[in-house]
Amino acid sequence: DTEVTQTPKHLVMGMTNKKSLKCEQHMGHRAMYWYKQKAKKPPELMFVYSYEKLSINESVPSRFSPECPNSSLLNLHLHALQPEDSALYLCASSLLLYEPLHFGNGTRLTVT
Amino acid sequence: KQEVTQIPAALSVPEGENLVLNCSFTDSAIYNLQWFRQDPGKGLTSLLLIQSSQREQTSGRLNASLDKSSGRSTLYIAASQPGDSATYLCALRGRGSTLGRLYFGRGTQLTVWP
Repeated sequence: DTEVTQTPKHLVMGMTNKKSLKCEQHMGHRAMYWYKQKAKKPPELMFVYSYEKLSINESVPSRFSPECPNSSLLNLHLHALQPEDSALYLCASSLLLYEPLHFGNGTRLTVT
Repeated sequence: KQEVTQIPAALSVPEGENLVLNCSFTDSAIYNLQWFRQDPGKGLTSLLLIQSSQREQTSGRLNASLDKSSGRSTLYIAASQPGDSATYLCALRGRGSTLGRLYFGRGTQLTVWP
């Protein structure tokens, strides 16, 4: 069982929809991450939060908007996505930036 | 920029074999290296973490080694089982300004058949 919980597990959305992905951890970790993974590819880093402040944004399009309302919660707000944004979105956390990462099971997103 | 390569891309072996997965990297200025396994459609499960100052780590049937001078890490799996079938990824954490980033290899897809 993973200690990083992601909801929903699956999401299908149209290109005009607005939706949010949620990630939660209660391990006291202060760094949280969003990754995007396409089939047969390694995860690609999108955003990193450290102590609830955005630390890294890997030039992600503005249709993806992260939010870290508190140390346990990380959201990814989605708006006007494209079909090529369909992927597995993985959340991870670590105690601090240089500590081992713990991943959630991901949200499988399909954009129609 | 750090480049991480994993060889082989895929491996199919009978149950009981000992096997070695390889990970090579171009920049030896790393903070640590982490091996993960990923089952289809799932997240990543951390297997072993090796700090930059360490040479190897062991957990059960798994042993990971790190040789920074040659830019290589290996994951040794002893007495493989069908339950070991998964994709194995190595990931390196850089130093300094790259501390928040993990550089992933493309993975080795392992199939262990009974």
